[in-house]
Amino acid sequence: AQTVTQSQPEMSVQEAETVTLSCTYDTSESNYYLFWYKQPPSRQMILVIRQEAYKQQNATENRFSVNFQKAAKSFSLKISDSQLGDTAMYFCASPIQGAQKLVFGQGTRLTINP
Amino acid sequence: SAVISQKPSRDICQRGTSLTIQCQVDSQVTMMFWYRQQPGQSLTLIATANQGSEATYESGFVIDKFPISRPNLTFSTLTVSNMSPEDSSIYLCSVARQTSTYEQYFGPGTRLTVT
Repeated sequence: AQTVTQSQPEMSVQEAETVTLSCTYDTSESNYYLFWYKQPPSRQMILVIRQEAYKQQNATENRFSVNFQKAAKSFSLKISDSQLGDTAMYFCASPIQGAQKLVFGQGTRLTINP
Repeated sequence: SAVISQKPSRDICQRGTSLTIQCQVDSQVTMMFWYRQQPGQSLTLIATANQGSEATYESGFVIDKFPISRPNLTFSTLTVSNMSPEDSSIYLCSVARQTSTYEQYFGPGTRLTVT
């Protein structure tokens, strides 16, 4: 079965610091997409960033960037200049082979401290 | 993206009763999904809501417990039937367009507490 693994259940950093959240996945597809979602205490799931596997360039969205290591099947999220509003659960997700469905990692609870 | 609303946002129900959750999208979408998120946990897919046909359920979820309707391309309902305290969760609907990116957009969720 396709799996997505987040090995950090919780992380905590000070405001303005940089933090990296880890994610590994398992797929036999040659081309695929990977996603990071954010779920703040309001519980609204928000798509943070998307990475296309065949693109070697790492995706970037403002303060959010990814470190995509295709051979290692690693997809980490870096948040620069962290803000209090970044406090949330973060989920890594990958589409299930041949389907439009997503499989999610276990999540990392990120707390940004003032 | 898409603007998705869910009703109700939260409810407290007695065991043995049923609750129907509505999901409305502001534009036509190909795919609609229903997820369950138990406290502090990740998302688990319940089923894919198919327009004009029966929903496709994931392992461990059955139609008698979670009947789903999808009468058109912008609306779906999930019913949680004969509820027990173990059904206390957040229920999320999500949508996707028929694209190659597979990204999904989520509604705000329904927090259900069963007493």
